[in-house]
Amino acid sequence: GAGVSQTPSNKVTEKGKYVELRCDPISGHTALYWYRQSLGQGPEFLIYFQGTGAADDSGLPNDRFFAVRPEGSVSTLKIQRTERGDSAVYLCASSLRRGDTNNEQFFGPGTRLTVL
Amino acid sequence: EDQVTQSPEALRLQEGESSSLNCSYTVSGLRGLFWYRQDPGKGPEFLFTLYSAGEEKEKERLKATLTKKESFLHITAPKPEDSATYLCAVSAGSARQLTFGSGTQLTVLP
Repeated sequence: GAGVSQTPSNKVTEKGKYVELRCDPISGHTALYWYRQSLGQGPEFLIYFQGTGAADDSGLPNDRFFAVRPEGSVSTLKIQRTERGDSAVYLCASSLRRGDTNNEQFFGPGTRLTVL
Repeated sequence: EDQVTQSPEALRLQEGESSSLNCSYTVSGLRGLFWYRQDPGKGPEFLFTLYSAGEEKEKERLKATLTKKESFLHITAPKPEDSATYLCAVSAGSARQLTFGSGTQLTVLP
């Protein structure tokens, strides 16, 4: 079946601009996660959705970052007034949440964001 | 705060030379330990989940084990196609997100 997809694969923008990154999770997965990965580092958690609501947004670095998942499927990560330090690969993952079990997260290919 | 440390940072092996990667963790209430493989320019690919000390899982040339403080990823007779970065991650307490280590970059030479 289809995996997690992310668009665009690459995004180059100028400092101060607004960007949107999209994630299509695996069909039927109720949990969706956003992570950010810098070169040579592991992914760092940003935000977690269970259904339509943000269950945990403790990883968002500041209020320039915002994410939505209005229909419980596709999610958009929005970054306002981008800064050069926002340059990274933004990864989306989804999982099939079953009760209290912590289930495997399946990742998309990522969006490489470059802020000039 | 949950912490995950992976060693070594990089490892070069000759084809067929078995070795182990280490992942040590400090968490409060481990819910699961996960191993992923990541190829350049791609997202992490799920390999294993381990839930309790003493658990072991195998997949082809890879075997993951778990103790109360660390996990090992054993690679038996590796091939060049096993070259990748191997990431370890934990979930703990009530959190659903994963906390990742920095990874071990494995290179297998023909």
